[in-house]
Amino acid sequence: GAGVSQSPSNKVTEKGKDVELRCDPISGHTALYWYRQSLGQGLEFLIYFQGNSAPDKSGLPSDRFSAERTGGSVSTLTIQRTQQEDSAVYLCASSLAAGFGQPQHFGDGTRLSIL
Amino acid sequence: EDQVTQSPEALRLQEGESSSLNCSYTVSGLRGLFWYRQDPGKGPEFLFTLYSAGEEKEKERLKATLTKKESFLHITAPKPEDSATYLCAVQAGSNTGKLIFGQGTTLQVKP
Repeated sequence: GAGVSQSPSNKVTEKGKDVELRCDPISGHTALYWYRQSLGQGLEFLIYFQGNSAPDKSGLPSDRFSAERTGGSVSTLTIQRTQQEDSAVYLCASSLAAGFGQPQHFGDGTRLSIL
Repeated sequence: EDQVTQSPEALRLQEGESSSLNCSYTVSGLRGLFWYRQDPGKGPEFLFTLYSAGEEKEKERLKATLTKKESFLHITAPKPEDSATYLCAVQAGSNTGKLIFGQGTTLQVKP
């Protein structure tokens, strides 16, 4: 079946611009996660959704970052006034539920480059 | 603070040369330990979940084991197609299921 789909796959933008990254999870998966992967930093948790609500936003690095999820499905991560340190690969993952031990399945990410 | 450390950072093997990757963790209330494989330009691909000390899981040439402080990913008679970055992650005591990742081990298997 279809896996997690992310778009765009690559995004190059100028410093100070806003960007929107999209994630389409596996059908039927209620839990959705955003992570960021930077060179030398590994994968860092950003935000978690259960349905349309976000009980854990603790990983968002600043108030320039926000995310929403609609219809319990598609999620959008928005970065306002982008900075060069925002350059990274943004990965989305989904799982059947947020229960312990549930494997998270990842998309191939959006590679964001800030000029 | 919950922490995951993987070693070595990089590993080069000849085809057929077995070895092990290490994942050491410090967490408050381990709920699950996960191994993923990541190829360049791709997202992590799920391999195994381990829940409790003494548990073992196998898939083809890979075998994952778990103790109270660390996990090992054993690779038996590796092939060049096993070349990838292997990531270890833990779920700790929160309710969100978020994963805390190690930095990964990049494995290169030469023919």
